[in-house]
Amino acid sequence: QITLKESGPTLVKPTQTLTLTCTFSGFSLYTNGVAVGWIRQPPGKALEWLALIYWDDDKRYSPSLKSRLTITKDSSKNQVVLSMTNMDPVDTATYYCAHNIRESYWDPRYSSYYFYYYMDVWGKGTTVTVSS
Amino acid sequence: IQMTQSPSTLSASVGDTVTITCRASQSISSWLAWYQQKPGEAPKLLIYKASRLESGVPSRFSGSGSGTDFTLTISGLQPDDFATYYCQQYNDYWTFGQGTKLEIK
Repeated sequence: QITLKESGPTLVKPTQTLTLTCTFSGFSLYTNGVAVGWIRQPPGKALEWLALIYWDDDKRYSPSLKSRLTITKDSSKNQVVLSMTNMDPVDTATYYCAHNIRESYWDPRYSSYYFYYYMDVWGKGTTVTVSS
Repeated sequence: IQMTQSPSTLSASVGDTVTITCRASQSISSWLAWYQQKPGEAPKLLIYKASRLESGVPSRFSGSGSGTDFTLTISGLQPDDFATYYCQQYNDYWTFGQGTKLEIK
């Protein structure tokens, strides 16, 4: 059974750096094809994807937030860490981490496999408020 | 890639069949997922690859579409189905729609 749990501060001040940890069980980031991502949701608003890290340490970031985000992993501890710099009140949100599952597609035109990842299991989320 | 859902709010009664639409700003093939979210809870995966039902999800949920236009249909609404639904593309990075709130009429 896959489970994920987010942890970190509930309150940060403007301009500070937020560091969140996702601790998971039921899978390993040593395993080929595994990824963990972060998503946030401001109060009463839609979901926003932030970042993702693959088993091979490849990373993807939201283009709009890329300059402020860093995602890292410690596979031995079953943890993924997200850092976001220069926090602002608009960053107040519930932050989720999620296990991503891979789908493969064979394109005969190019004789190549392509891989696509979607989020199948989510943590319960952690609420972060940005306020002085 | 922008994802646009309609309607933003939908009122229906138990037993009704409802359809939620999601449109992508460019073709995403079938790389689309649907999630259900209840207040105070994390999203729950319902459908992936546009039409594949996630294990354990009731068969009254179904998805269809490809390219830019997709639908989520719930046949025979149950009380537990009143929630907010999000589509998400995973063809090129990841983008969510703005959500559709399904309310009790």
